[in-house]
Amino acid sequence: DQQVKQNSPSLSVQEGRISILNCDYTNSMFDYFLWYKKYPAEGPTFLISISSIKDKNEDGRFTVFLNKSAKHLSLHIVPSQPGDSAVYFCAARPPQSIGNQFYFGTGTSLTVIP
Amino acid sequence: DGGITQSPKYLFRKEGQNVTLSCEQNLNHDAMYWYRQDPGQGLRLIYYSQIVNDFQKGDIAEGYSVSREKKESFPLTVTSAQKNPTAFYLCASSIEYTGELFFGEGSRLTVL
Repeated sequence: DQQVKQNSPSLSVQEGRISILNCDYTNSMFDYFLWYKKYPAEGPTFLISISSIKDKNEDGRFTVFLNKSAKHLSLHIVPSQPGDSAVYFCAARPPQSIGNQFYFGTGTSLTVIP
Repeated sequence: DGGITQSPKYLFRKEGQNVTLSCEQNLNHDAMYWYRQDPGQGLRLIYYSQIVNDFQKGDIAEGYSVSREKKESFPLTVTSAQKNPTAFYLCASSIEYTGELFFGEGSRLTVL
């Protein structure tokens, strides 16, 4: 049972435009969310996170939005650059009192076209 | 530089053979994890360990075994009981439960 879902396997965006990657989750107990970026044959690298007490977190060109009522989060990349081309995974975690693991989505492959 | 080192990067195995993947970290992290990635699927948790000499099964532990004799090391053995072992394996660590996972570069196992 996939508790974290990324329904778009791929996304293409022109350089300089905004990239929006979406993620949905089913478990309302999740309280911490992360985005990872992954290049082929490499391990994922942490990008940005957000706690459930916030609805937005920004770090340079990257902004994550959290809509708890909709159980939805999104990653915005503005402006998109060719080096952003990678697979992006979202992940979620429940409070430690409930569970000890992160749940990952299936990933969205972003291609930024020069 | 601190980080997580996985070896080997590529590994080929014949059916019926056990193989052990190495994971070493010098980040002084307490928690370590093993994930498996298959095409079109998210990362799935195999095993995790929060402290030395203790580990728990993840969602897909069958056919795998681990040990945590040292804080720095969390090797994963893929046994012959694992029915579909060809995959990309990722080791990760974290400071207890406080934040993000730090990943190694992965090991690609191919069963011939």
